[in-house]
Amino acid sequence: SQTIHQWPATLVQPVGSPLSLECTVEGTSNPNLYWYRQAAGRGLQLLFYSVGIGQISSEVPQNLSASRPQDRQFILSSKKLLLSDSGFYLCAWSQPYNEKLFFGSGTQLSVL
Amino acid sequence: LAKTTQPISMDSYEGQEVNITCSHNNIATNDYITWYQQFPSQGPRFIIQGYKTKVTNEVASLFIPADRKSSTLSLPRVSLSDTAVYYCLVGDRGGATNKLIFGTGTLLAVQP
Repeated sequence: SQTIHQWPATLVQPVGSPLSLECTVEGTSNPNLYWYRQAAGRGLQLLFYSVGIGQISSEVPQNLSASRPQDRQFILSSKKLLLSDSGFYLCAWSQPYNEKLFFGSGTQLSVL
Repeated sequence: LAKTTQPISMDSYEGQEVNITCSHNNIATNDYITWYQQFPSQGPRFIIQGYKTKVTNEVASLFIPADRKSSTLSLPRVSLSDTAVYYCLVGDRGGATNKLIFGTGTLLAVQP
């Protein structure tokens, strides 16, 4: 069966510090991978999605970046965090051209 | 890009049937309609997916009219544990971009 792992679960970072969130998927190959962010009490904002290794599409211009160094690994990064980067970050995967998404458990990021 | 519109919130009582409607006027021919449930501090969970007419599984039913410009998620006999945010998602297969953008969702509050 397929599983998705996302870590860490919680993170508190000072403004201006770097960020690295990692997500891995097991039990499937060539998945579509997604990063979403959810501010407190708000909906899900699509940040990045990837259809293959090295292929990243960005939905929101900001100080975040994403990389996909391996087929089932998706990394969200920032060189310098802003207060507005605080939120709940969710990684998800799907089969290509399928809206059935499977989400990780999320990372609650607080930038102080 | 298909866009969805849902009521922001709904109230119900335990044991009642709840119907949540989603509008997606610009749905493309190849797009499926998928519904998710999200509890606080968790990733959304897949509920049901359909293309047209009616789909039923062990937790919900999905009704899609012939023009597919809307869909209705039906939850039979809700309980307190069904209090959550429900999202309708329509994919972008028409644009073949694999981009999956969520709408604002519907907060369902179930009262005793």
